[in-house]
Amino acid sequence: AQKVTQAQTEISVVEKEDVTLDCVYETRDTTYYLFWYKQPPSGELVFLIRRNSFDEQNEISGRYSWNFQKSTSSFNFTITASQVVDSAVYFCALSEASGGGADGLTFGKGTHLIIQP
Amino acid sequence: SQTIHQWPATLVQPVGSPLSLECTVEGTSNPNLYWYRQAAGRGLQLLFYSVGIGQISSEVPQNLSASRPQDRQFILSSKKLLLSDSGFYLCAQEDSMNTEAFFGQGTRLTVV
Repeated sequence: AQKVTQAQTEISVVEKEDVTLDCVYETRDTTYYLFWYKQPPSGELVFLIRRNSFDEQNEISGRYSWNFQKSTSSFNFTITASQVVDSAVYFCALSEASGGGADGLTFGKGTHLIIQP
Repeated sequence: SQTIHQWPATLVQPVGSPLSLECTVEGTSNPNLYWYRQAAGRGLQLLFYSVGIGQISSEVPQNLSASRPQDRQFILSSKKLLLSDSGFYLCAQEDSMNTEAFFGQGTRLTVV
């Protein structure tokens, strides 16, 4: 069975600091997808990124970057030069391909990121 | 583009009352549809998913049920709410060719 672990329950940093959110996953599938979502106080989930298991290239999007390492089953998310608007709960999630993608996402418990001005 | 409509946004219901949360999607056909629940301070838990009309799979035994009467409509129901049903309920959809899930804006349910 799949599992996603976000060991950091809450992180608090001062604005402009860099911060990394950790995500470790478990799956028996060789084909799977990893996601990061942002949940602002309004509650809706905002999609940030999807990565498939065959693409280990790191990705950068503005101040956001993701480090996918299959060897350690990790998919970490880094925000550089953090801003107050980055404050939110961030979820890492996993979807296995064996269910045809229809089995839904397995989420970690989320990391509450607080950016202090 | 894919759009998910979910209502109501907030709901306060007494214990023992029925529940009906509705989710409709636009911009895609034959989507996979999902209901997730987020309890206070916890992650999201998959409750139900549906790959087509009338097809419902339950992930967690509970006091809730789901139905899919139309291709783009997914309903979460309960005959008698429990206090433990309180939480934030999110509807999600993904099309059959994509494993990316799009989420509705959620319903915050408080059972009192």
